[in-house]
Amino acid sequence: KNEVEQSPQNLTAQEGEFITINCSYSVGISALHWLQQHPGGGIVSLFMLSSGKKKHGRLIATINIQEKHSSLHITASHPRDSAVYICAGFTNTGNQFYFGTGTSLTVIP
Amino acid sequence: DGGITQSPKYLFRKEGQNVTLSCEQNLNHDAMYWYRQDPGQGLRLIYYSQIVNDFQKGDIAEGYSVSREKKESFPLTVTSAQKNPTAFYLCASRTRDIGQGYTFGSGTRLTVV
Repeated sequence: KNEVEQSPQNLTAQEGEFITINCSYSVGISALHWLQQHPGGGIVSLFMLSSGKKKHGRLIATINIQEKHSSLHITASHPRDSAVYICAGFTNTGNQFYFGTGTSLTVIP
Repeated sequence: DGGITQSPKYLFRKEGQNVTLSCEQNLNHDAMYWYRQDPGQGLRLIYYSQIVNDFQKGDIAEGYSVSREKKESFPLTVTSAQKNPTAFYLCASRTRDIGQGYTFGSGTRLTVV
C-alpha cells in the first residue's frame, strides 16, 4: 500500500465542469503539495498546504489534517488544465516526499 | 529568472554505458534531490543532498551515484549497475526552511537501448 493514495487515476471532463481530485495519506507529514505535470514531463508546484484551504485562480486546495485527506478542485475547467496532477506529502523525519501516482486529467472542449 | 535547469531533455545510451544527468539551480537553495518516475508509479527518491559535499541515499539508490561539489550543481550518474535505467528523472531543490516548497526541473527522459 502506498503512503499516499490518489483518486481517481484517470478523469475526463467536459470544458466548464467542476473537477475534484482526492488525496489520502497514511504517514505523518508536515506539508502536502499539489503538483502539475504536463505531457512534456516538467512539474510545476501548484500549492503547499499544512492546514485549511488555499486558492489560486480557478484552483482550490484543501486539507483536513485529522482525516489525513486533501482535495484539489478546479472550477470552470478548460482544455489547458489537461495534465497529470500529483499530491505529495513531505515528511520532516525522512526529509523527503511521498508521492501519489497521479491523476491524469483530460478536459474536452 | 531563477530556476532549475536539467539537461539534456532526452538522452539515449547503449546498455552498459554510464551516463551523467545534469541538474543546475540558481535559486541559492541548500537542498537538492533526484527522483525517478516510471509509468504508473509515483516519483521515487534516488539521492538527496542538504549541503555541499554531503548527500544521502534515498529509497532506490542502487546503481546510481551523485556528487555535490558546488551548491548550484547536483549531477546524477546512472551506472551500468542500474538494472532498469530507462525512466524519467526529475531534479528538485528547496531552501532549508521547511515552510518553503520545492522547485522542480523539467526532467530528463533517459532511454537505454
